[in-house]
Amino acid sequence: DGGITQSPKYLFRKEGQNVTLSCEQNLNHDAMYWYRQDPGQGLRLIYYSQIVNDFQKGDIAEGYSVSREKKESFPLTVTSAQKNPTAFYLCASSFGSVPTYEQYFGPGTRLTVT
Amino acid sequence: AQTVTQSQPEMSVQEAETVTLSCTYDTSESDYYLFWYKQPPSRQMILVIRQEAYKQQNATENRFSVNFQKAAKSFSLKISDSQLGDAAMYFCAYYGTASKLTFGTGTRLQVTL
Repeated sequence: DGGITQSPKYLFRKEGQNVTLSCEQNLNHDAMYWYRQDPGQGLRLIYYSQIVNDFQKGDIAEGYSVSREKKESFPLTVTSAQKNPTAFYLCASSFGSVPTYEQYFGPGTRLTVT
Repeated sequence: AQTVTQSQPEMSVQEAETVTLSCTYDTSESDYYLFWYKQPPSRQMILVIRQEAYKQQNATENRFSVNFQKAAKSFSLKISDSQLGDAAMYFCAYYGTASKLTFGTGTRLQVTL
């Protein structure tokens, strides 16, 4: 089955620790995205990558880092510099740029930092 | 910067009835795209419908249709013959020259028997 996987579904960390969220897709998509979702707010773009070894900051990139070494993978690291990291994180991918190509979303990871 | 406003935090509809979810946006651009996404309890976002701003004809996908009013910057979603499976959060989103999706805050739709 083709799709996007995010693991784990729930993640718990202590304050001050870096944590990496996994996102893998087997859809052969070139573009991948990371979004953050908070209660009462829409999705906000953290980072996106249109090709391997290249990525751009979104609206709320501070305190986050990414890498895109493989087409299938786009891990997101939440660093200790992120002041309020507890949130729901969604990964997405598309063949090319929106809006020509539909963005497909993964099931998300709920990160809790205490 | 573009903004997307969904003024209805929650809506309720009876099964088999019709409901309309509102969305307004603010932009100075003439070419853009608008989307409605559904987020069911599983929290996986699903594209419901999209509209190109240059098209006057309103988009339709089965029971889902939009009322796109470009001058009024309004983009409402109509769900006909509502089903229990339609219960979800619905997000309106804008895509323009900034090459990114800007989402509204969402409307939670409840479907009752």
